[in-house]
Amino acid sequence: GQQLNQSPQSMFIQEGEDVSMNCTSSSIFNTWLWYKQDPGEGPVLLIALYKAGELTSNGRLTAQFGITRKDSFLNISASIPSDVGIYFCAGQLLVGWGKFQFGAGTQVVVTP
Amino acid sequence: DSGVTQTPKHLITATGQRVTLRCSPRSGDLSVYWYQQSLDQGLQFLIQYYNGEERAKGNILERFSAQQFPDLHSELNLSSLELGDSALYFCASSVAAGRTDTQYFGPGTRLTVL
Repeated sequence: GQQLNQSPQSMFIQEGEDVSMNCTSSSIFNTWLWYKQDPGEGPVLLIALYKAGELTSNGRLTAQFGITRKDSFLNISASIPSDVGIYFCAGQLLVGWGKFQFGAGTQVVVTP
Repeated sequence: DSGVTQTPKHLITATGQRVTLRCSPRSGDLSVYWYQQSLDQGLQFLIQYYNGEERAKGNILERFSAQQFPDLHSELNLSSLELGDSALYFCASSVAAGRTDTQYFGPGTRLTVL
């Protein structure tokens, strides 16, 4: 279930602006995943992080695995209209085999 | 394309009925997860199977059941359907072979209960 604190809940930004969102928890994670979901579609994996402190980029997207293993952030630089959607974080717990927790999502709206 | 397939894409049925949703994981993935997503809601974890065995259970109703077959495809059975069961149902798969794992989602099945 949704046990990760993801913020902000929504963002309204202008094209070209940078976007930043994060997920936090009191639990410790082995893996952080970031997904984007378009309406009525399945979440698409954007970035996967496996190591504390890891910073990974995928085009204009950059995500980091927090050094405490309890948080992660996702940045989108120079946003474009197709960045519109809901972004979810997911963390795989250090304890509990295969158990993932999900954030509630950040809705991003990009205006021209 | 994530490599995870789900059928059917859309399903419309009446209250009290029973339906079966099907999922085929990515090639090589041993674990299958089922999620429910109601309108404007996040993902609610239902159940996980690993190599045919149930591994973890989430907020799955007793009216719902699932299984994973020897060829690793999975089915989610929803019975005595209620209006509130209308939602998107997603399947995800992963290798689940180590302490770090990555889930890939299918396109989902949209269930409408009338």
